Parts: sequence; structure tokens; C-alpha cells
Amino acid sequence: KNQVEQSPQSLIILEGKNCTLQCNYTVSPFSNLRWYKQDTGRGPVSLTIMTFSENTKSNGRYTATLDADTKQSSLHITASQLSDSASYICVVSGRMDSSYKLIFGSGTRLLVRP
Amino acid sequence: DTGVSQNPRHKITKRGQNVTFRCDPISEHNRLYWYRQTLGQGPEFLTYFQNEAQLEKSRLLSDRFSAERPKGSFSTLEIQRTEQGDSAMYLCASSSGTGIYNEQFFGPGTRLTVL
Repeated sequence: KNQVEQSPQSLIILEGKNCTLQCNYTVSPFSNLRWYKQDTGRGPVSLTIMTFSENTKSNGRYTATLDADTKQSSLHITASQLSDSASYICVVSGRMDSSYKLIFGSGTRLLVRP
Repeated sequence: DTGVSQNPRHKITKRGQNVTFRCDPISEHNRLYWYRQTLGQGPEFLTYFQNEAQLEKSRLLSDRFSAERPKGSFSTLEIQRTEQGDSAMYLCASSSGTGIYNEQFFGPGTRLTVL
């Protein structure tokens, strides 16, 4: 079964600290992996997209890594800010039936406290 | 604003009523997707259009749900005889269908509450 699992479910950190979010997937065949940030009551916004040949990709203070062999990804947030408080969703694109589909994880809810 | 827009942003309705949501994609994006997201979960695929053709529908899309994209631009999602289990955020996304990523851009969503 094609699945995307994220951990932890929720996380609280102090402003300025770093954190790492995890994503494991069983989607096959695999096309690409994305990390989205979703503020409460808003739609998801893309942070990074990686294909199987890419090991790491950065977007400002966000750095995503991908190990296609172990089917694991992580999102590292450096020097967290209050505005980083949001849900972070790992999304894997895989081929199912005759088209590529996005399979979403349940997200990690991050709260950054002053 | 040239992003994906959705209306209304919030809808409260009584069980049994019909509701309709609208999505305006990014101009010239030929692909449009509908997702449903319940609290604490990631979005789940409902259906997608390429231009005006509805190419795929999820098993989540029961007979009470219908989506249209009559001119290949905006799309509507109608839910008939709403049930409390329909309460969720309904997200629309669009993409150009090109590039290795075929990145989808999401709208702000319509939050539906069925009383």
C-alpha cells in the first residue's frame, strides 16, 4: 500500500532553535518528494521538491534531504522563527493506475514559542 | 493576486442542504485538482481535470459530489444532501502539467461545516 508517514506528530521548540522532521514512505514507483508548509486555515505552500536523484535541497532556513534507498526524507529548520509555526506535510508523487498521484502524509504540527 | 482563489472561504450549512464551491486556478494552468482535508490529516485527492475533461475521480467522491470545469478555466464542486461527515476543508490546486515536477499550487481552501 502506498503510504507516507511522518514523525513526530507534533513538536514544540523555542524560538531560535533548530529542529528536524521525518518522513518515511512506501510509494512505488516514486517520482518526487515534496515538503509543504501549511498555516492554520490556509492551503499548503511548497517548500522543496526533490526527485530520486537529488539528496538535498535548501530553501532559505529549510533544508530537505532524501534517501531514495531507505525511502526516508527529513526537513531541517534552522534558527526557527515564530512564523515557522505551522503544519509541515511530506508529499510523495508516485505512479498509480495510469497517472501520477500525490500522496500526503498527515503532517507534523510545529509550534515555535518565544 | 495571480494565485489560486477559492470562494467562499467558509460555509456553514445544515445537514441535507446542497452547497457549491468555486475555484479559480492560475491563468493558463490546464490542470485543476480538488482535495479534501479533515482536521489533523493531510489532503486526500478527490478529482482532477485537464482542461474541461474530468480525467479521474477518487472513490471518496460519492454520488452526492459532482465537479465541473465547463470552459476549462474555473471549476465548481457541488455537494448534495450534505452530511456531517462532509465537514472538512476543500482545497483546490492547479498546475501547468509541464516540467519534471508538475508542481501544484494550492488555493486557501473552503472550510465547510455541516450542522
